[in-house]
Amino acid sequence: AQSVTQLDSHVSVSEGTPVLLRCNYSSSYSPSLFWYVQHPNKGLQLLLKYTSAATLVKGINGFEAEFKKSETSFHLTKPSAHMSDAAEYFCVVSDRRDDKIIFGKGTRLHILP
Amino acid sequence: NAGVTQTPKFQVLKTGQSMTLQCAQDMNHEYMSWYRQDPGMGLRLIHYSVGAGITDQGEVPNGYNVSRSTTEDFPLRLLSAAPSQTSVYFCASSRTALESPLHFGNGTRLTVT
Repeated sequence: AQSVTQLDSHVSVSEGTPVLLRCNYSSSYSPSLFWYVQHPNKGLQLLLKYTSAATLVKGINGFEAEFKKSETSFHLTKPSAHMSDAAEYFCVVSDRRDDKIIFGKGTRLHILP
Repeated sequence: NAGVTQTPKFQVLKTGQSMTLQCAQDMNHEYMSWYRQDPGMGLRLIHYSVGAGITDQGEVPNGYNVSRSTTEDFPLRLLSAAPSQTSVYFCASSRTALESPLHFGNGTRLTVT
């Protein structure tokens, strides 16, 4: 079955410094991969998605992610963190085998002033 | 556009009671799913459906039933509530499981005492 592992449960960065949120996936078939963000007491919003086109995917709010098949990774990055980026981020995988859309456990991003 | 509508927003149940969480979408999406969100666990898939008349189990299906008699509606039934089912429940829909982003309802906060 497909799965995702988010390697850090909490990440703290200073405002204006780069953000790296790590995600490894497991899938027997060509996966689709997504990143979602959930701000405190808010719903979930799609940041970006990979669906077998370009391996470097650009999303909203300056975020991007690179699909690396050889490393089974889909890490999320942003060049310069903003206070408004403080939220919980979820890496998500689905594949062609069974239509299950599986979430990772989440990474809470803290932005230090 | 209403999108995905979940009711109720809040619910308190006693152990052993049953109830149904309602979910409706007006986007003509074939794929619908239910998740529960618990701290540190991300969103875990309970049940999902790829179209009217078709449902399947997700990661944590025990204690929950679903049906999909129409494209629009996907209710989640708790048969005999237990304290372990205290959680925030999200309904989501998308055009397809593989490539389309999920649209989420606003969630139902359920407490079982």
